[in-house]
Amino acid sequence: VQLQESGPGLVKPSETLSLMCSVSGASFSTDYWAWIRQPPGQGLEFIGYIYYTGTTNYNPSLQSRVAISLDTSKTQFSLSVTSVTTADTAVYFCARYSSVSAGPNWYFDVWGPGTVVTVSS
Amino acid sequence: DIQMTQSPSSLSASVGDRVTITCRASQNIADYLNWYHQKPGHAPKLLIFAASSLQRGVPLRFSGTGSGTDFTLTIGGLQPEDFGTYFCQQSFTLPLFGGGTKVEIK
Repeated sequence: VQLQESGPGLVKPSETLSLMCSVSGASFSTDYWAWIRQPPGQGLEFIGYIYYTGTTNYNPSLQSRVAISLDTSKTQFSLSVTSVTTADTAVYFCARYSSVSAGPNWYFDVWGPGTVVTVSS
Repeated sequence: DIQMTQSPSSLSASVGDRVTITCRASQNIADYLNWYHQKPGHAPKLLIFAASSLQRGVPLRFSGTGSGTDFTLTIGGLQPEDFGTYFCQQSFTLPLFGGGTKVEIK
């Protein structure tokens, strides 16, 4: 299974950040597909995830500005963040949120390499 | 809201040393705890899931223990490639990561 992020590396303040994650070697029908970000020199922040049914769940701190969608025919999922500020500058990772036999313990077992997004005018 | 606190925030150890990193949850999360290792410029890599289960392909020198609120990641004999930052993550509720522990090789 491989994941690869793509999208603009530079976004202007107040505009919308849009990223795509391309998935190869996996089916969308059993796992969650997530976005996580890491500001420069800082820790990891969960943004949200989407299930193959289209059900989403977002970090409450970002929920009003974030949307994740799924394109199963293209095995891609996307992230949009509206009204960005410099605080949204980060490396953005897409990842698979999976579990053994869909059991209760879920974990991020496959990650994309990450893409740097800078918010600046 | 659950808070995840890791300690120490950084450490320096020699090759062959036994290294222990602690993660504490602000409330009972049973065994819904995962550990990751991140090298600079790279994505995190899953080491341990469900508090103590070793991910496929991860060396046996890595082990995890704990349940409830207190968890430990142990590196049984530190290797040069083990430098980087280690993160815990709870999956009891929406995913939340600890602040990280930076490991440097002396």
